Amino acid sequence: DIEMTQSPSSLSASVGDRVTITCRASQDIRNHLVWYQQKPGKVPELLIYAASTLQSGVPSRFSGSGSGTDFTLTISSLQPEDVATYYCQKHNTAPLTFGGGTKVEIK
Amino acid sequence: DVQLVESGGGLVQPGGSLRLSCAASGFTFSTYAMGWVRQAPGKGLEWVSTINAGGTATYYADSVKGRFTISRDNSKNALYLQMDSLRAEDTAIYYCAKETRPQGAAGSDYWGQGTLVTVSS
Repeated sequence: DIEMTQSPSSLSASVGDRVTITCRASQDIRNHLVWYQQKPGKVPELLIYAASTLQSGVPSRFSGSGSGTDFTLTISSLQPEDVATYYCQKHNTAPLTFGGGTKVEIK
Repeated sequence: DVQLVESGGGLVQPGGSLRLSCAASGFTFSTYAMGWVRQAPGKGLEWVSTINAGGTATYYADSVKGRFTISRDNSKNALYLQMDSLRAEDTAIYYCAKETRPQGAAGSDYWGQGTLVTVSS
């Protein structure tokens, strides 16, 4: 089965900083990669699908890139409301494996 | 508005069974694949199972294969997860989730609030 590895597992950044989270697949998954945001105590929300397509209603400071095995989620200017754990997930064929998550905090 | 409402969670002894339900509304249920995702206390998300729109194809994580059964009733707009031979490590919040697109491969755009399953003696 394909494994999904996120890095870092946590990060602390200042408001306005550019934040980058990486997700690596152990095999080629083309662009079948989605990103979720889960705020503390809340349900996960879809941010990006097909590696780079922004879900409707998601702020434009979020962007995704990559294909094959290496993917990136970028927050161009970190805001206080972005404090959350971010997960990648391969979403083509089962098993639909999640990455381990990246916890983002404000410095 | 799309709504997904899970029910059926609770406390069960190891080796026991539970049946989770997810009532869906606000979209054409029979058009979309549906799935279950769980989250153990303080841990990350774990995909559990997915069923296609017609209910003819099912997929499971290795951790639950042979013990859990996903099903759906499109006439009732309902998704189910039958959980047998439960183990302590199955303790988690179980979320029902809707595929973003009928053709799939775009993640899950709506999630229920989750139902807590606790496996303990």
